[in-house]
Amino acid sequence: QKEVEQNSGPLSVPEGAIASLNCTYSDRGSQSFFWYRQYSGKSPELIMFIYSNGDKEDGRFTAQLNKASQYVSLLIRDSQPSDSATYLCAPEKGGSEKLVFGKGTKLTVNP
Amino acid sequence: DAGITQSPRHKVTETGTPVTLRCHQTENHRYMYWYRQDPGHGLRLIHYSYGVKDTDKGEVSDGYSVSRSKTEDFLLTLESATSSQTSVYFCAISGGRAYNEQFFGPGTRLTVL
Repeated sequence: QKEVEQNSGPLSVPEGAIASLNCTYSDRGSQSFFWYRQYSGKSPELIMFIYSNGDKEDGRFTAQLNKASQYVSLLIRDSQPSDSATYLCAPEKGGSEKLVFGKGTKLTVNP
Repeated sequence: DAGITQSPRHKVTETGTPVTLRCHQTENHRYMYWYRQDPGHGLRLIHYSYGVKDTDKGEVSDGYSVSRSKTEDFLLTLESATSSQTSVYFCAISGGRAYNEQFFGPGTRLTVL
């Protein structure tokens, strides 16, 4: 079982729609979970983190965590063309200062 | 933006030559990391540091060494570069807050011919 799995996409949504990005992880010791956005040719940029079961909202972004199911997701409401990027899921490696990155989901928002 | 710089930003070198990449931070963060990013593999940890002169291996450490003599600088060395080390290298830092958030530098694109 891979440590972190994401649908590689590409995920294509129309402008104004909700984009749903999913991630599963294998390490039950993971406590914190991070979402990064990476534009082509750029470095990853932290956009959300979550550590409690449930939802966490920040502007148009909502992170959802279900530790029992080992599942974390990112919802982007009112998607904009500027949201077109690759989104990386990164659970903490249980009990450490390290993160384990998924391979990312490429999102395209069509005007 | 977190105060992280990487140098050089681009480098082309030949197989067998030594290469050193530098990461410099102005945030006084305790932890520093080196990753490589390749198509189909995502971000993979090479080495990390949890303090001055304290380093440890990541998942793809073979062929790489690191040093951290000052809080602000973390060096990655390829002792004898190979074509398989052609990649984009990112430095990251963490330790400013409680939840292991990592912030990335701009990256170095390395090509080994």
